[in-house]
Amino acid sequence: GQQLNQSPQSMFIQEGEDVSMNCTSSSIFNTWLWYKQEPGEGPVLLIALYKAGELTSNGRLTAQFGITRKDSFLNISASIPSDVGIYFCAGGTSYGKLTFGQGTILTVHP
Amino acid sequence: GAVVSQHPSWVICKSGTSVKIECRSLDFQATTMFWYRQFPKQSLMLMATSNEGSKATYEQGVEKDKFLINHASLTLSTLTVTSAHPEDSSFYICSARSGRADNEQFFGPGTRLTVL
Repeated sequence: GQQLNQSPQSMFIQEGEDVSMNCTSSSIFNTWLWYKQEPGEGPVLLIALYKAGELTSNGRLTAQFGITRKDSFLNISASIPSDVGIYFCAGGTSYGKLTFGQGTILTVHP
Repeated sequence: GAVVSQHPSWVICKSGTSVKIECRSLDFQATTMFWYRQFPKQSLMLMATSNEGSKATYEQGVEKDKFLINHASLTLSTLTVTSAHPEDSSFYICSARSGRADNEQFFGPGTRLTVL
């Protein structure tokens, strides 16, 4: 089956620093999505990418759909304490199912 | 827009009982909903795809007689965990496709199930 490798597994950063995380796959995806999940909650959609090479921003978040369609990255600029959470990438196929990465646990120290 | 609710948010039950979890799309119609299971500090594992008016499609290894799914309307899907056992304790999350874009899924807040 399809697998996504998400890295890093965890990050401990100071407030104000920039953050970068990425996902790679052995398979091609039609869509890349980035979600954030806080404890005891469901994931919240941050950014959706639909075309190879697409670069999309949402506030301090920027994500790109890799040109090979097998990878994506998410950057967070000028991190703040409320950025804490688990970030998941997800690859989507034409069948509508999503395959999730293992998640990146982000901790921001004030 | 694209709000998904789940009920209950948490449930504690005795071993052997059945538990029903509801997933509703509040401001859109969802022909397809998904049910996931998540263990602590792990990623989401897709259990099944629920299509309105038809039988659910289960992922490999998921017992369809154990996890009954009903998608009776365009805004409601239910997951029933039958004869629950402690190993069924987990965080169950549903999602719905809004139909505005192919693969965007919007998630409910999850249901924490604890089986004693």
